[in-house]
Amino acid sequence: DAGVTQSPTHLIKTRGQQVTLRCSPKSGHDTVSWYQQALGQGPQFIFQYYEEEERQRGNFPDRFSGHQFPNYSSELNVNALLLGDSALYLCASSYSFSVAKNIQYFGAGTRLSVL
Amino acid sequence: KQEVTQIPAALSVPEGENLVLNCSFTDSAIYNLQWFRQDPGKGLTSLLLIQSSQREQTSGRLNASLDKSSGRSTLYIAASQPGDSATYLCAVIGGATNKLIFGTGTLLAVQP
Repeated sequence: DAGVTQSPTHLIKTRGQQVTLRCSPKSGHDTVSWYQQALGQGPQFIFQYYEEEERQRGNFPDRFSGHQFPNYSSELNVNALLLGDSALYLCASSYSFSVAKNIQYFGAGTRLSVL
Repeated sequence: KQEVTQIPAALSVPEGENLVLNCSFTDSAIYNLQWFRQDPGKGLTSLLLIQSSQREQTSGRLNASLDKSSGRSTLYIAASQPGDSATYLCAVIGGATNKLIFGTGTLLAVQP
């Protein structure tokens, strides 16, 4: 049973560029959440997708956008990259039925470096 | 606004010691609390989930407790091993949200 998979594992971009990160949820899961983790900090919630719609959003600018596909996989897009966007981006999946009561499973993350 | 704090920020212990990591949160209206382990540059591994109605959960050498009224949780690690060295994060889900709110973690080093 494959867990949460993310791609790519590492990415280097320059300021102003755009980036797309991908996530496949754990088998049987239909809800995907994205988190940003800066060095030495705890992860910060970006947004959550369910039934191909953004269900909830954290305090991130509109440069951060996402998408969920019919197979429940998800993409995170970041436009006009800033140096401060350098971080580990984590994807978490869960089952929508009573999300609050279920364990969220995390992928290994994508390390984004903006130069 | 929910805030999660973890103390200490870093901890170094000799192998074999029992240790306690602390997590506190400001809003007691939580659905659950989850403890995670994170190895350097890696993703998060869930260790224990405590529902709001529970007082503790155990898995092997790990025991997590929850006191909602005081806004505190502890993670107890028995007979620590060098392989336990990692960052330990606690996170809560609460209120009307389905998002995890994390502390900044405790960096644990177990010396052989």
